[in-house]
Amino acid sequence: GNSVTQMEGPVTLSEEAFLTINCTYTATGYPSLFWYVQYPGEGLQLLLKATKADDKGSNKGFEATYRKETTSFHLEKGSVQVSDSAVYFCALTRNNAGNMLTFGGGTRLMVKP
Amino acid sequence: GAVVSQHPSWVICKSGTSVKIECRSLDFQATTMFWYRQFPKQSLMLMATSNEGSKATYEQGVEKDKFLINHASLTLSTLTVTSAHPEDSSFYICSASSKRVSPYEQYFGPGTRLTVT
Repeated sequence: GNSVTQMEGPVTLSEEAFLTINCTYTATGYPSLFWYVQYPGEGLQLLLKATKADDKGSNKGFEATYRKETTSFHLEKGSVQVSDSAVYFCALTRNNAGNMLTFGGGTRLMVKP
Repeated sequence: GAVVSQHPSWVICKSGTSVKIECRSLDFQATTMFWYRQFPKQSLMLMATSNEGSKATYEQGVEKDKFLINHASLTLSTLTVTSAHPEDSSFYICSASSKRVSPYEQYFGPGTRLTVT
């Protein structure tokens, strides 16, 4: 079956530090990959996505590249801000599978001023 | 576009009562809606999937009679927690999808925090 594995948090960084949150996946077929962000007390917001191998998703300074050879979709940001403090979820959906999402466990990021 | 709302955003109820949570797609017709449950500091757990006009498909371990899902129209799905107990206290999140909008995305509501006393 499909599965997503994320690095466990919390990840604590100082403002302007470089961020990497690792995500690897197991899936049959050709999944689409997503990063969602959840701010305290809120639902999930799509941060970025990639639908095929070697695609790079990017948004708000965050980037992730779909690496089929390593089955990874690591999230990176060059300079984090306090406002980036949130929980980040890596997820996948198999194309043509009814949009069923498989989530990783989530990684809490705390950015200190 | 692709906005999903939930109502209420939070609710407190007494043990033994029932609570209904609404999920609406505001600017698109959702062919499929999903209900998730999230415990503190944990990931989302899919409870059920519903398609408009048909019965919901529940995930293993989710009680159908306790969590009633009605997907009455292409823009509205409801989750009713019947005879709620303190262990049902959780954050409930819905999402909606439409292949006309995107073939692989779900759009999430802001969540409903349920506290059962």
